Formats: sequence, structure tokens, C-alpha cells
Amino acid sequence: EAQVTQNPRYLITVTGKKLTVTCSQNMNHEYMSWYRQDPGLGLRQIYYSMNVEVTDKGDVPEGYKVSRKEKRNFPLILESPSPNQTSLYFCASSWASGGFGELFFGEGSRLTVL
Amino acid sequence: GENVEQHPSTLSVQEGDSAVIKCTYSDSASNYFPWYKQELGKGPQLIIDIRSNVGEKKDQRIAVTLNKTAKHFSLHITETQPEDSAVYFCAASIIRNTGNQFYFGTGTSLTVIP
Repeated sequence: EAQVTQNPRYLITVTGKKLTVTCSQNMNHEYMSWYRQDPGLGLRQIYYSMNVEVTDKGDVPEGYKVSRKEKRNFPLILESPSPNQTSLYFCASSWASGGFGELFFGEGSRLTVL
Repeated sequence: GENVEQHPSTLSVQEGDSAVIKCTYSDSASNYFPWYKQELGKGPQLIIDIRSNVGEKKDQRIAVTLNKTAKHFSLHITETQPEDSAVYFCAASIIRNTGNQFYFGTGTSLTVIP
């Protein structure tokens, strides 16, 4: 089954404790991206990657890091999480790396930072 | 950067009536405008999209219109059904050298009353 898999789906952590949210897709998509969803703010893009080793900042990259060492994986790293990073996170992938293509979203990861 | 505004934030319609959601964008470099539907507890799913060189696109009960001059685009759902109840997001995309940068609206919660 074609899918984007995120882990963990739910996480409660404390301020300053490094964490990684993994994202993996099995559709051989070149483009992958991360979003956070907050009430009243919609979806905001954090980082995106058009291919292996090519990443760029989205609209709200502060406090996050990413890496794209393999085509199928695009982990989101929070080096020192803070309470304002409490949010619902979505990973998405697309066959279109530089054009017009559908984003396939994962099921989301709900992160709470205390 | 790009700013996408979406209205209304909530919309209730009777089953069988039409629903219209409107979005505006600010950056003329945006050239791809997808619409996503998000059901409770799930990731967003693409329902229709339009490119900047097209003024209107229709897919069964769903249509999207784009006015590049005025920088606004709209989603039209006709003959609404209870299963259309969900949160809808518009988005504008700018294609950069490093990939697609997406900007989403704040969402419209649509309720179709049986």
C-alpha cells in the first residue's frame, strides 16, 4: 500500500530534550516536506526537499533541522524543543520535485513539549 | 513572503446546497493552487488543483476558479452531501530552484446539515 509513515504518532516530552520525528514514504517520490498545524493558523511549511541532499527552509524553520540522506526518508529533528513547538506535525511527499503535483500526507504526529 | 488568506473560517450549509470558499494570495510568483480536504484525525487529501495558466477547472461536483489579476481563487462544491463535512485548505505554491514552497490558508470548517 502506497503510504507516508510517521513515527511517533504521539509524543510528550520536556523542554530541551532532543527528539526526532521520522518520515518514510514507499512511493519513490522525490519531493518531501514537513508542516505544522496549529489552531487558527492552518498548515505551515517547515522544510522541504526536492531530492537527496537538497533541502530548503519553508515558512517556519526556526528550531527545526532536517536531513535527506535517502530518497525514502526525511526525518524532522528538534534539537532543543520548546513549548511553542507543541503542535500537530505532518510529513508529505510528492512525485513532482519542481512542478505541480499532489502532496501525499502522513497521518500526523502530535507533539507536546512541557 | 507569500500570504494566503482564506474565508470563511466556518461554513454551514443544508444538504444539496452549494458551498463556496474563497482565498487570496499576495505573491504573483505563485503558480499552482491546490485545495485539500482534511477529515477528523487524518492528514489532508488533495481534492482539486489549478495551475496559473488556467482560469477554471471542474471535477464532478467540485470546481475551482482562479483570477490571477485579482490574486484570488475559489472552491465551489455543488449538491453538498454530509460526507463533504470536513476542513478545507487552500494553498499557493511557488516553484523555487530548490523545490516547491507551499503556503496554506487557515482552513474552512464545512458542515453539511442533513
